Amino acid sequence: RKEVEQDPGPFNVPEGATVAFNCTYSNSASQSFFWYRQDCRKEPKLLMSVYSSGNEDGRFTAQLNRASQYISLLIRDSKLSDSATYLCVVNRYKAGGSYIPTFGRGTSLIVHP
Amino acid sequence: DGGITQSPKYLFRKEGQNVTLSCEQNLNHDAMYWYRQDPGQGLRLIYYSQIVNDFQKGDIAEGYSVSREKKESFPLTVTSAQKNPTAFYLCASTEASRNGYTFGSGTRLTVV
Repeated sequence: RKEVEQDPGPFNVPEGATVAFNCTYSNSASQSFFWYRQDCRKEPKLLMSVYSSGNEDGRFTAQLNRASQYISLLIRDSKLSDSATYLCVVNRYKAGGSYIPTFGRGTSLIVHP
Repeated sequence: DGGITQSPKYLFRKEGQNVTLSCEQNLNHDAMYWYRQDPGQGLRLIYYSQIVNDFQKGDIAEGYSVSREKKESFPLTVTSAQKNPTAFYLCASTEASRNGYTFGSGTRLTVV
């Protein structure tokens, strides 16, 4: 089983739609969770951190479910500019006391007019 | 402005050659990371360094080497032992892992 798993998609949605992505992680000792956005042939950029209580930033809502070991990202009122690949990042615990950022392979979102 | 600079943006290597990718940051971050990304794939960790003069192997370190002689710099050498080096290489850094990671704009390496 991979450390961090995401559905690669693509998710193809019309403008204005609500879309949700999930990401599962295998190491229960993981701490700190993030969603990154990556545009084609560009570097990933931090979209938002994911907190235990859930958090919202405008049209974006992130949730963490530690019991089931997954995080989610909800995008409301999708815009054409939201088209990108969304990467889930988990700080995986490594023996010796360090946490290593581990990436899912990403979920592709295409928003069409 | 603070950030991470990777150079060159594009790099072409002949088979059997070693090449070095540069990563410099002026964010005063302690930890730095090198990732490799292949088309349609996620980022895979090559090496990381959490403090000057110390670094650790990631998940795919074979055929790569690094150094961390200065806090600002974390160069990656792709050696001739790396059998499939063509990829997009990304460098990242963080002040504290709970705050997330900042990436450079990447280097595209192609073997010709």
